[in-house]
Amino acid sequence: QLVLTQSPSASASLGASVKLTCTLSSGHSSYTIAWHQQQPKKGPRFLMRIKGDGSHNKGDGIPDRFSGSSSGAERYLSISSLQSDDEADYYCQTWGTGFQGVFGGGTKLTVL
Amino acid sequence: ELQLAQSGAEVKKPGESLRISCEGSGYSFISYWIGWVRQMPGKGLEWMGIIYPGDSDTRYSPAFQGQVTISVDKSLSTAYLQWSSLKASDTAMYYCARLPGSGNYHFDHWGQGTLVSVSS
Repeated sequence: QLVLTQSPSASASLGASVKLTCTLSSGHSSYTIAWHQQQPKKGPRFLMRIKGDGSHNKGDGIPDRFSGSSSGAERYLSISSLQSDDEADYYCQTWGTGFQGVFGGGTKLTVL
Repeated sequence: ELQLAQSGAEVKKPGESLRISCEGSGYSFISYWIGWVRQMPGKGLEWMGIIYPGDSDTRYSPAFQGQVTISVDKSLSTAYLQWSSLKASDTAMYYCARLPGSGNYHFDHWGQGTLVSVSS
């Protein structure tokens, strides 16, 4: 079964860097995923797509502070020079057979 | 500029029917899959289903199959999400979103959301 696992929470200091992880379930380690950001009281925003080889394509207007990478079944979202408005929920998403989509449970990022 | 404009908030009673909409502009509406996502209060995102406007090919999550209907009106560049009999548990924010195509089935543009409240 295709499942995406995310840590429920993460925190980092203003100006620091953070790396969020999304783990693909067994047998799905080559899958492409997408990262979305949801700031408080707002709708989601597409950040980037990350392929199994680590290459990534960002959405419109996404700053260079956001980058993506991959290792095995793990897909990462890295944010450098953290700002207060990076405090948000971050969701990963992928798709399986028949274009069935699935989201991870989300990671709540707190900027200290 | 690509935009997905959703219809406004709805307040309904259990058992009532409802259809919410999502109008796409700034791109070739019929050429890209469009989907719906539920977010219950305080919870995460749930993938409900997608539709291809070109031929109305529709895919549902098993969790939502039979509970909702996704449709499209190509002439209006509008996708719909509809319920025949609402329950209190349908109270949620609903987002439409577009898929980028070219073999990619994630969402790359989102609507602003429609809040549906169901209460007696």
